[in-house]
Amino acid sequence: EAGVTQFPSHSVIEKGQTVTLRCDPISGHDNLYWYRRVMGKEIKFLLHFVKESKQDESGMPNNRFLAERTGGTYSTLKVQPAELEDSGVYFCASSQVRTSEAFFGQGTRLTVV
Amino acid sequence: AQKITQTQPGMFVQEKEAVTLDCTYDTSDQSYGLFWYKQPSSGEMIFLIYQGSYDEQNATEGRYSLNFQKARKSANLVISASQLGDSAMYFCAMREYNQGGKLIFGQGTELSVKP
Repeated sequence: EAGVTQFPSHSVIEKGQTVTLRCDPISGHDNLYWYRRVMGKEIKFLLHFVKESKQDESGMPNNRFLAERTGGTYSTLKVQPAELEDSGVYFCASSQVRTSEAFFGQGTRLTVV
Repeated sequence: AQKITQTQPGMFVQEKEAVTLDCTYDTSDQSYGLFWYKQPSSGEMIFLIYQGSYDEQNATEGRYSLNFQKARKSANLVISASQLGDSAMYFCAMREYNQGGKLIFGQGTELSVKP
């Protein structure tokens, strides 16, 4: 069974540019989460999808971040325009039900220069 | 208020010895889960062990055990017989079940295993 897959694994962009991160959850997992770890700090929750619906987006830092999950399958997280403080590792996780174990992807390391 | 606290930024342990990584949590919910994840230098997050708030027995998974002390709100990870491959960041996390399933993470502990 394929795990959670994230693309790209690394991205370096200039301040002001746009970047789109993608997450493919484990097939059949309705719950999809995005997290972010800024250098040296703890991993922070960004948002939670149940199928294609946003269940909780309380962790999204500002309106430069837009997440979608078309058809309840893969999800994208777009940062537009990117700022220096957006640099960090973005993780995606999925779970079958909200109370079960969350499986993580390998993360996308975003560097904004 | 910090909900998950890991007070050890870094730890060293000799190979083959046991090590305890501390984690305390804060919640007013009765129903919650506690998780430990390992993040090696390659970056992925690897699930290690889970403890439910209603579980009376401490969770164990191979060389990993979770020392759950509910009254003290602590969920320490014990790794027995450390191996060089155990060197990594370790994150404690909590899920409050009436909060939609999101995980709240601690700051992490970097474990280094010495040969």
